[in-house]
Amino acid sequence: ILNVEQSPQSLHVQEGDSTNFTCSFPSSNFYALHWYRWETAKSPEALFVMTLNGDEKKKGRISATLNTKEGYSYLYIKGSQPEDSATYLCAFYNYGQNFVFGPGTRLSVLP
Amino acid sequence: DGGITQSPKYLFRKEGQNVTLSCEQNLNHDAMYWYRQDPGQGLRLIYYSQIVNDFQKGDIAEGYSVSREKKESFPLTVTSAQKNPTAFYLCASSGRQKITDTQYFGPGTRLTVL
Repeated sequence: ILNVEQSPQSLHVQEGDSTNFTCSFPSSNFYALHWYRWETAKSPEALFVMTLNGDEKKKGRISATLNTKEGYSYLYIKGSQPEDSATYLCAFYNYGQNFVFGPGTRLSVLP
Repeated sequence: DGGITQSPKYLFRKEGQNVTLSCEQNLNHDAMYWYRQDPGQGLRLIYYSQIVNDFQKGDIAEGYSVSREKKESFPLTVTSAQKNPTAFYLCASSGRQKITDTQYFGPGTRLTVL
């Protein structure tokens, strides 16, 4: 089973701060990378699907970039708000495999 | 409202018993998935199905069984052969494009084996 890593494991930021975290994955036979947000007591919700090297996606204050050659994706949150508090998951799809999820980054935004 | 339902939310089982977790979707999705989450780990795929009457093993299928008799339903049975069944179980569904279609998740079932 391929390994997907996310860092940091958790972080606390103040409301209004911008933050970013990383998803690292094997760079060979890349097909797609998905980002999900998982709020406590809710179901994970899709944020982005990224397939091409250099992809940049944006949804409101959240954006993501993808580097398939070096095997990483960054998720950025600009001007964090308390409602951004959640666990952010990335899921990597490699040809011939199933989706492999990272352990997540747990974000807490303090008011 | 369209979505995925899982029941029950909490489930307790005695060691040695089989138990079935329910997953229903009304999104008209072809593909359905079962994942398991353990503390500190990512979601791990147990089984998936891309079409009615067909399903494939995921990475940790041992001790589990599934059926897909209807498009809307994908129940998971945790058998007594599963050595460490206590975990949080998530069901998901997606469109036909397995790689690029986002997955929609249910609220999960927490199974505790006593």
